[in-house]
Amino acid sequence: KQEVTQIPAALSVPEGENLVLNCSFTDSAIYNLQWFRQDPGKGLTSLLLIQSSQREQTSGRLNASLDKSSGRSTLYIAASQPGDSATYLCAVNDYKLSFGAGTTVTVRA
Amino acid sequence: GAGVSQSPSNKVTEKGKDVELRCDPISGHTALYWYRQRLGQGLEFLIYFQGNSAPDKSGLPSDRFSAERTGESVSTLTIQRTQQEDSAVYLCASSLNRGETQYFGPGTRLLVL
Repeated sequence: KQEVTQIPAALSVPEGENLVLNCSFTDSAIYNLQWFRQDPGKGLTSLLLIQSSQREQTSGRLNASLDKSSGRSTLYIAASQPGDSATYLCAVNDYKLSFGAGTTVTVRA
Repeated sequence: GAGVSQSPSNKVTEKGKDVELRCDPISGHTALYWYRQRLGQGLEFLIYFQGNSAPDKSGLPSDRFSAERTGESVSTLTIQRTQQEDSAVYLCASSLNRGETQYFGPGTRLLVL
């Protein structure tokens, strides 16, 4: 069974600082890995998807890396803003998604 | 185009009653998934539909849970004889094909009293 772990569980940073969110998984037989954002009381917003053959994916201030052999992915958010405050979820896709517990980010103005 | 929609957005029911939750996937998406998020816990996979193939029901927690999908359109998740531990947000997602990006609906918040 795929196990997905996210560290840290929570993170508080001042505005402008770069964020580094970590995700690890136990089974490397995956299609891809998705990063989501979840705002309180709302659904999931897909941020980035990295195919299993890729090492990196970028979208604006977001950059995600994937090292399938070591079972790790990292989400970098540059120059954080208060609007980035949310819970970030990593999900490993082996056709169904296996989610980590999330990292709750607070960006202080 | 329209995203994944779910109804109702909120549902309050009494223990022992049956409930039915509905999901409308993105048009043209062959794959549809149901997940559950209980308060303070992570998202759990429940069931997966791919086209006309037999669904993967491996995540359903008990035989009180069932789901149907008509072709590549609407899906309903039914919970019979609801229990308090069924209280959760039930999320539906769809993808163009198996293994591709999953797009989530806003969820149905179920509260069993």
